[in-house]
Amino acid sequence: GNSVTQMEGPVTLSEEAFLTINCTYTATGYPSLFWYVQYPGEGLQLLLKATKADDKGSNKGFEATYRKETTSFHLEKGSVQVSDSAVYFCALSKTGANSKLTFGKGITLSVRP
Amino acid sequence: DAGVTQSPTHLIKTRGQQVTLRCSPKSGHDTVSWYQQALGQGPQFIFQYYEEEERQRGNFPDRFSGHQFPNYSSELNVNALLLGDSALYLCASSLSSARPGELFFGEGSRLTVL
Repeated sequence: GNSVTQMEGPVTLSEEAFLTINCTYTATGYPSLFWYVQYPGEGLQLLLKATKADDKGSNKGFEATYRKETTSFHLEKGSVQVSDSAVYFCALSKTGANSKLTFGKGITLSVRP
Repeated sequence: DAGVTQSPTHLIKTRGQQVTLRCSPKSGHDTVSWYQQALGQGPQFIFQYYEEEERQRGNFPDRFSGHQFPNYSSELNVNALLLGDSALYLCASSLSSARPGELFFGEGSRLTVL
């Protein structure tokens, strides 16, 4: 079945540091890939997505590229801010309306001033 | 425009009891999905409702059941509660034609089973 593996956390960085959060997946066919973020006291929000190989999703300075050859979708940001402190989830779904999401375990990012 | 609202936000039950959680979707959305998020884990898909019928189901026992009403709101029922059912239960709403990822999540109902 489908699965998503995220690097172990938590991750603590200083403000303006470079961020990489690793995500690899196992799936049949050509899934869509996502990064969701859960800020303290808020619901899960879609951060970015990519629906086919070599697509790059980007939002709020974050980027991730759909790499089919390595089955990866690593999240990067060049300069993190304190406000980026949150839990980040990598997820996938089949391509189709309202397909269920399969999530990774999530990783907590804390950014120090 | 209210987003997805869930109630109650927190509740405590004992083993063997039954619980009902409620969800009101974002205005205009007709599809509701439920996810279980255990502590330190990612959300796991329970089921999805559209047109008052269960359209997809994840790997959860029959103790987990749901309902969707004509106004698109939804309930999640869990019978014969186990300690392992303690989790954050998330509701997500979408349009029936939503492209992948076009889900809006509520803040969740945190269930503790003692």
